Amino acid sequence: AQSVTQPDIHITVSDGASLELRCNYSYGATPYLFWYVQSPGQGLQLLLKYFSGDTLVQGIKGFEAEFKRSQSSFNLRKPSVHWSDAAEYFCAVGLIQGAQKLVFGQGTRLTINP
Amino acid sequence: DSGVTQTPKHLITATGQRVTLRCSPRSGDLSVYWYQQSLDQGLQFLIQYYNGEERAKGNILERFSAQQFPDLHSELNLSSLELGDSALYFCASSPADRQNTDTQYFGPGTRLTVL
Repeated sequence: AQSVTQPDIHITVSDGASLELRCNYSYGATPYLFWYVQSPGQGLQLLLKYFSGDTLVQGIKGFEAEFKRSQSSFNLRKPSVHWSDAAEYFCAVGLIQGAQKLVFGQGTRLTINP
Repeated sequence: DSGVTQTPKHLITATGQRVTLRCSPRSGDLSVYWYQQSLDQGLQFLIQYYNGEERAKGNILERFSAQQFPDLHSELNLSSLELGDSALYFCASSPADRQNTDTQYFGPGTRLTVL
């Protein structure tokens, strides 16, 4: 069955430090991959997506992600985090099985230390 | 602001009751998706509608049903509510139904509390 794993439930980094959030997927076909962010009490906002082509994709708010087929990974990175980046981050795979639906990972909560 | 609206923002009700959650998709989007976010199950796909027709079903209970109206807004009906139905319910929309380059845009969610 298709699945998405985010190994880190909670990560804490200092303001200005670099960030990498891990995402691994299990899917037999070509994956369509997404990262969403959920701020407290808010909905899900799309950060970036990968469909094909260049395996390094740029998103909003200075985030980027790299698709590595050999490792079944789609890790999210940011060179320097800001306190406003504190939120929950979700990796998702888009499944095309009769209709598109998203399968989400369990999420990684990011805390920023001042 | 994604352009997807959901009402109400919060809903508190009792076990055994029935509630209706409403979603208006982004202008021009024909597909509507419903997701449930709970602490134990995480974010799970419930159901998708495209231009008024059901397209896909996920982990949706028989007590739950949905529909999409001619004006493309959608409603999720939850009946015989149980404590475990307490969750955040998201609606998302996208332009089409099977385009693998479609992106789903999420609304702010409706938080349901069953007492």
